[in-house]
This record gives sequence, C-alpha cells and structure tokens, in this order.
Amino acid sequence: DGGITQSPKYLFRKEGQNVTLSCEQNLNHDAMYWYRQDPGQGLRLIYYSQIVNDFQKGDIAEGYSVSREKKESFPLTVTSAQKNPTAFYLCASTSGGGRTYEQYFGPGTRLTVT
Amino acid sequence: AQSVTQLGSHVSVSEGALVLLRCNYSSSVPPYLFWYVQYPNQGLQLLLKYTSAATLVKGINGFEAEFKKSETSFHLTKPSAHMRDAAEYFCAVSDPRGNNRLAFGKGNQVVVIP
Repeated sequence: DGGITQSPKYLFRKEGQNVTLSCEQNLNHDAMYWYRQDPGQGLRLIYYSQIVNDFQKGDIAEGYSVSREKKESFPLTVTSAQKNPTAFYLCASTSGGGRTYEQYFGPGTRLTVT
Repeated sequence: AQSVTQLGSHVSVSEGALVLLRCNYSSSVPPYLFWYVQYPNQGLQLLLKYTSAATLVKGINGFEAEFKKSETSFHLTKPSAHMRDAAEYFCAVSDPRGNNRLAFGKGNQVVVIP
C-alpha cells in the first residue's frame, strides 16, 4: 500500500535534548511538508521541500531543522532552541510538478517534552 | 498572502440535522480550496477540493461544498449528520500558481448529539 509513515506515534523527551521525527513516503511524490498542530490553532507550516536537496522555511521554522537527501524521506529535527516543542507533528506530501494537488498526510507524531 | 477564516471552534449538531461549516478565504489570485477531516490522534484526510471546475463540489461521506466567488466562501454541508461525523474539520487554501503551499483555518470541532 502506498502512503506516508511517521514514526514513532508518541515520543517523549527531556528539555534540552534534540529529537528527530521520521517521515517516509512511497508515493513517488516530489514535495514534502512538515506541520505543527496545537489545539485551536490549526496547522502551521514549519518547512517544506519541493525537490531533493532543497527545502524552504515555512511560517514557524525557528528551532527546527530538516534535510532532504532522498526523495522518500524528509526528517524533522526539533532542537533545544525550540521554546515550546510539545505538539502534534504532521508530515505531508504531494505530487508537485508545478501544478496544485491535494496534500496527503501521515498519521502524525505526538511529541511531549518535559 | 492567502488565508482562511473558520468561525466557531466547536460546532454541535443533532444526529440527523444539517451540518454547516463556514469557510471564508482571502486570496489575491483565484484560489484552490480544500476541506480536510481529522479524527482523534490521526492525520488529515481529504474530504473534497475545488480547483476551478464546477463550483458545487461533492466529496466523500456525503459532504459537499459550494465555491462562491462573490462571497469569498467555500462552506461545507451535509444534509444529515451521523455519529461518525464527529471529528475536526479544516478548510485550506492553496496558491494555484504551483508552489502547493496550503494555508489552513483553525478548524471546527464537530460534536454530534444523539
């Protein structure tokens, strides 16, 4: 089955530690996205990548970093510089190619930092 | 910049009654518009999309939405609510020039009363 996988489903970390969230897709999509979801705030774009080895900051990139070394993978690192990292993180992908298509979402990772 | 407004974070509806979720957008170019549904602790699933074809769009699970340019609206409706419709619903707008970035509204949490 084609789709997007995010692991783990739940993640717990101590304050001051960096943590990396995994996102893998086998849809052969060019573009991938990371969103952060907080209650009552909708989804906010952290980073996105439209092609391998290239990515752009979204609206709330501070305290986060990404890489896009393979088409299938777009890991997100939440650094210790992120002041309020506890949230639900969603990865998405789309065909891209210069046309607008709907984004397909993974199941999400809930990160709790104490 | 594009944006979406969804009023009323929580919407209660009786089982069998009409579901109406309002979405108003702001865009400097003719937009593409989407409605997504999210069940607890899951990713987002596409309900329906408008991409400049028919203004009345039918989606999954009996939902439909109508694009009204004069009102800058894309309201979501379902004639008869089921218990399984209890979820969070997000409206999103995309730039059709091809960068595929989505701007999301803050969402409506729908509660279905038996």
